[in-house]
Amino acid sequence: GAVVSQHPSRVICKSGTSVKIECRSLDFQATTMFWYRQFPKQSLMLMATSNEGSKATYEQGVEKDKFLINHASLTLSTLTVTSAHPEDSSFYICSAQDKRGVDSPLHFGNGTRLTVT
Amino acid sequence: RKEVEQDPGPFNVPEGATVAFNCTYSNSASQSFFWYRQDCRKEPKLLMSVYSSGNEDGRFTAQLNRASQYISLLIRDSKLSDSATYLCVVNRANAGKSTFGDGTTLTVKP
Repeated sequence: GAVVSQHPSRVICKSGTSVKIECRSLDFQATTMFWYRQFPKQSLMLMATSNEGSKATYEQGVEKDKFLINHASLTLSTLTVTSAHPEDSSFYICSAQDKRGVDSPLHFGNGTRLTVT
Repeated sequence: RKEVEQDPGPFNVPEGATVAFNCTYSNSASQSFFWYRQDCRKEPKLLMSVYSSGNEDGRFTAQLNRASQYISLLIRDSKLSDSATYLCVVNRANAGKSTFGDGTTLTVKP
């Protein structure tokens, strides 16, 4: 089945630093990838839709200058949390669909647990 | 009203029980449907797609009712390992993104 790899799986950083998270589709091409955030015991929250070769589409309330998304190739999207603060500590997950688009399920990366101290 | 709604539960059932979850969707243009399970502190994993004719995978049966705009997941002979949160996901053409329910939590007890 389709595999999405996310790295790192866990990161601890100091307040004010930036953290980059990578999401790769290993065996299929993904023109669209999605980034989510999930706080403990809460639902997944879509942050943005990452489009290969164009600007990401951010959900309402998500700061695009704080959460930088780059989708430079059909198999890689990155999320950079800039100037991280403790309130950014969360579980960040990416997902991708294969070229069948709307009829195909999402395949999720294994998530990145970010802790900002 | 949310576009996709699930009963949050929790559902607490004994091992061996049969349990069913429903998920309703409000947009009639919804095109494809999926059930995922998410374990604590892990990413969601695809459990099964939901087809119009209904489909079964072992102890799991998924059904779609387009007229009433809901999908269901039936788990027979529950195992302790079935304890998880079950997410309903709906795709709509031209939406550009999937829509998630908030999940239903299942706890299977010995």
